[in-house]
Amino acid sequence: AQKITQTQPGMFVQEKEAVTLDCTYDTSDQSYGLFWYKQPSSGEMIFLIYQGSYDEQNATEGRYSLNFQKARKSANLVISASQLGDSAMYFCAMREVQPSNYQLIWGAGTKLIIKP
Amino acid sequence: NAGVTQTPKFQVLKTGQSMTLQCAQDMNHNSMYWYRQDPGMGLRLIYYSASEGTTDKGEVPNGYNVSRLNKREFSLRLESAAPSQTSVYFCASREGTPGELFFGEGSRLTVL
Repeated sequence: AQKITQTQPGMFVQEKEAVTLDCTYDTSDQSYGLFWYKQPSSGEMIFLIYQGSYDEQNATEGRYSLNFQKARKSANLVISASQLGDSAMYFCAMREVQPSNYQLIWGAGTKLIIKP
Repeated sequence: NAGVTQTPKFQVLKTGQSMTLQCAQDMNHNSMYWYRQDPGMGLRLIYYSASEGTTDKGEVPNGYNVSRLNKREFSLRLESAAPSQTSVYFCASREGTPGELFFGEGSRLTVL
């Protein structure tokens, strides 16, 4: 069963508008973490933001915020005031805490294109 | 600030050939990982090393071997390359909490 679902394969957004990228997850663990990464066309993977399952407040990092709705098992990335440089693939990933293991489970990604 | 360095960045192989992807990190991280990325899919874990001297299989280990040479270096070997191994390979390392991964720039491998 797919554990991380990103339902938007691609999105077009006008520059300066806010963007919400969807991510839903499935886990039976109480302790887990959610990550968002950006992959520009150059190919590198860039860490954006992290949300722990026990964090009471939504994570924020500059223009990035995470809309964490634990009961709905969603962890949507919000980018405020989008810029042309935000055009990239965005991946949501979940860390499950296992006894002697650390693995991230990745979504298939959303391709975001910012229009001028 | 080198971070995680992978070599080579590009490689073309013929079916049956072998090669090793090299990875080194200078952040003194204990854990290192090898992922592959295929179009339309998220990253899939091939092998990982939680600490120097240990390695474990990930989701898609078949056809690969790894060596954790020391704390800095973690190599991935394809003994007999197959077209299904055409992919982009990423090495990553991490340490501590929250444990975000630091990635290399990726290695694009084509097997003909």
